[in-house]
Amino acid sequence: GENVEQHPSTLSVQEGDSAVIKCTYSDSASNYFPWYKQELGKRPQLIIDIRSNVGEKKDQRIAVTLNKTAKHFSLHITETQPEDSAVYFCAASQNTGGFKTIFGAGTRLFVKA
Amino acid sequence: NAGVMQNPRHLVRRRGQEARLRCSPMKGHSHVYWYRQLPEEGLKFMVYLQKENIIDESGMPKERFSAEFPKEGPSILRIQQVVRGDSAAYFCASSQEGPGLLNTQYFGPGTRLTVL
Repeated sequence: GENVEQHPSTLSVQEGDSAVIKCTYSDSASNYFPWYKQELGKRPQLIIDIRSNVGEKKDQRIAVTLNKTAKHFSLHITETQPEDSAVYFCAASQNTGGFKTIFGAGTRLFVKA
Repeated sequence: NAGVMQNPRHLVRRRGQEARLRCSPMKGHSHVYWYRQLPEEGLKFMVYLQKENIIDESGMPKERFSAEFPKEGPSILRIQQVVRGDSAAYFCASSQEGPGLLNTQYFGPGTRLTVL
C-alpha cells in the first residue's frame, strides 16, 4: 500500500524567511496530493493541492511542487508570518474508486517574530 | 453551504461505556472518512464509507469499533467498552463524487473523546 514520509518533523524559521516541507510517496498510482494546515485544537484545513498532471501550483505565498519521477512533492511558504505557525500535513491519494488518502506524520512549523 | 458537522465536540466516558460519534458530511458529499489523532501525532485513517457501504475499514481495530453511514442521517462511529487508550480526537472528513473531485476531503471540527 501507499506510504508517505514527511520531513522535517519540526521546523523553526524567522519571520519573513521561507519554509520548505518535503514529502515522498511510494505508490506510483497516486495522482492527487493535498496539503493541510492544522492549528492547535482545530481541524485540518486544506490549503493547497496538486494533481499529477502539473508540476507546480502557486497560491499567493504558498506553492507546491511535484516530481512524479522521483515520487516527491514539497510545500513552499515564502515571507512567513507568525500566523503560519501550525502543523502541516501532506497526503497522497488516487482518483479511483475505493481509494483512501494516506497522510504524512506532520511538520510542526514555528515562525519566530 | 454548511461544512462538515460533528457532534458532540467533547465526550467523556468511563471505562466500559459506549461512545457514539456522529458526522454529517457537507451538502452534496456522499463519501465519509474517519480518522483518529492522538495528542502531538498525525492523522490515522480508520474507515472510508459511502452511503450504506463500507469501502475500506483497514484502519479500524478489529474489536469494539464499528462504523456506519445509513441512507438517511449522519455517519456514526461507535466504540464499545471504551478503554483509556481510546482517548483521542476523532475527525470526520467528507468528499463529493465526480471526475476530478472525488478525493478532496474536508474535515469536521472533531470530537475529543476522554475516557476516565
